Amino acid sequence: QKEVEQNSGPLSVPEGAIASLNCTYSDRVSQSFFWYRQYSGKSPELIMSIYSNGDKEDGRFTAQLNKASQYVSLLIRDSQPSDSATYLCAVGDYNQGGKLIFGQGTELSVKP
Amino acid sequence: DVKVTQSSRYLVKRTGEKVFLECVQDMDHENMFWYRQDPGLGLRLIYFSYDVKMKEKGDIPEGYSVSREKKERFSLILESASTNQTSMYLCASTLRDGMNTEAFFGQGTRLTVV
Repeated sequence: QKEVEQNSGPLSVPEGAIASLNCTYSDRVSQSFFWYRQYSGKSPELIMSIYSNGDKEDGRFTAQLNKASQYVSLLIRDSQPSDSATYLCAVGDYNQGGKLIFGQGTELSVKP
Repeated sequence: DVKVTQSSRYLVKRTGEKVFLECVQDMDHENMFWYRQDPGLGLRLIYFSYDVKMKEKGDIPEGYSVSREKKERFSLILESASTNQTSMYLCASTLRDGMNTEAFFGQGTRLTVV
């Protein structure tokens, strides 16, 4: 099993809809969870970090973490064409020297 | 403005050459990482370093080595380049502050081995 696994997509949603991106991880002791956005030809940039079970909201983005199920998700409300990008889930383990592992990414396309 | 700088944006090397990819960060971060990114595979960790002269293997270390002689600089070395090492290489750095913190990425080096 991969350490961090995402639906590879592509995921296509209409403008204004909710986009739901999912990620599972295998290491139960992971402590830090991140969502990065990567536009084509660009480097990844952080959009959300979450460390505790539950929801964390930032504008149109909500990250959800369930450590018991080893599951983290990202919801994008009111999706815009500018949200079209690849979304990367990352999991960090401070006890392994800060090792940071990424999933394979989910390509999101928001259609006008 | 925080910055992670990779020495080259594009590189073309021949099979069998020794290749050096350099990464410098100006944020005094303890952790530095080298990833390669291939279509459909996301970012795969090659090596990371949590302190000067310290290194840990990632998921795909074969064919690579690293060097971290100074805190701000982390080098990736391809001992004998092969065509299957053609890829986008991304360097990143983070603080170690009790938890993993935001990773800042360099602009990437697209390496082609011919």
